[in-house]
Amino acid sequence: ETGVTQSPTHLIKTRGQQVTLRCSSQSGHNTVSWYQQALGQGPQFIFQYYREEENGRGNFPPRFSGLQFPNYSSELNVNALELDDSALYLCASRQGDSPLHFGNGTRLTVT
Amino acid sequence: GQSLEQPSEVTAVEGAIVQINCTYQTSGFYGLSWYQQHDGGAPTFLSYNGLDGLEETGRFSSFLSRSDSYGYLLLQELQMKDSASYFCVLKGGADKLIFGTGTRLQVFP
Repeated sequence: ETGVTQSPTHLIKTRGQQVTLRCSSQSGHNTVSWYQQALGQGPQFIFQYYREEENGRGNFPPRFSGLQFPNYSSELNVNALELDDSALYLCASRQGDSPLHFGNGTRLTVT
Repeated sequence: GQSLEQPSEVTAVEGAIVQINCTYQTSGFYGLSWYQQHDGGAPTFLSYNGLDGLEETGRFSSFLSRSDSYGYLLLQELQMKDSASYFCVLKGGADKLIFGTGTRLQVFP
């Protein structure tokens, strides 16, 4: 079975720009969630998708949005980037109530 | 709201036993998990407690007391490769997982 893969691994953007991060979930996993992890902190829940619909959201503004596709891939979009958005963005997938399987993340730097 | 507290850092020597504590606050409780994350790596699942008591998985065990809003991760026969950050993770309502701030474990020879 393939694991969770994320792309790109690293990204540098300028304040005010928009970014799209991509995730390919583990085969058969119909739930995907995204997390933001600042340096030295624990992952913070952004949102979760189940069968292509958002069914949970953390304390993140609307400029953080997402999509989940029928082929188990998903996207995290961030508009109007701010310096504080610099972080590691983690995608995780699961089937039912099984444990989360995380990807290695995308390191986003906003300058 | 929901929150978790765990020590920021723990040190131990190879072969020793270490316990990482976690206290939490939540209005709805659906389980407590533990994840390990090596520097630059992805978090990986270690253990889950839905009910009170001890769960054992090899060298790792996790304990939960819902009445005390408290859990711990016990690591036995420590190895150098166990040096990593450990997160307790609360499953609250709406399928939301809340991570603690993490405990950095350093194992010395």
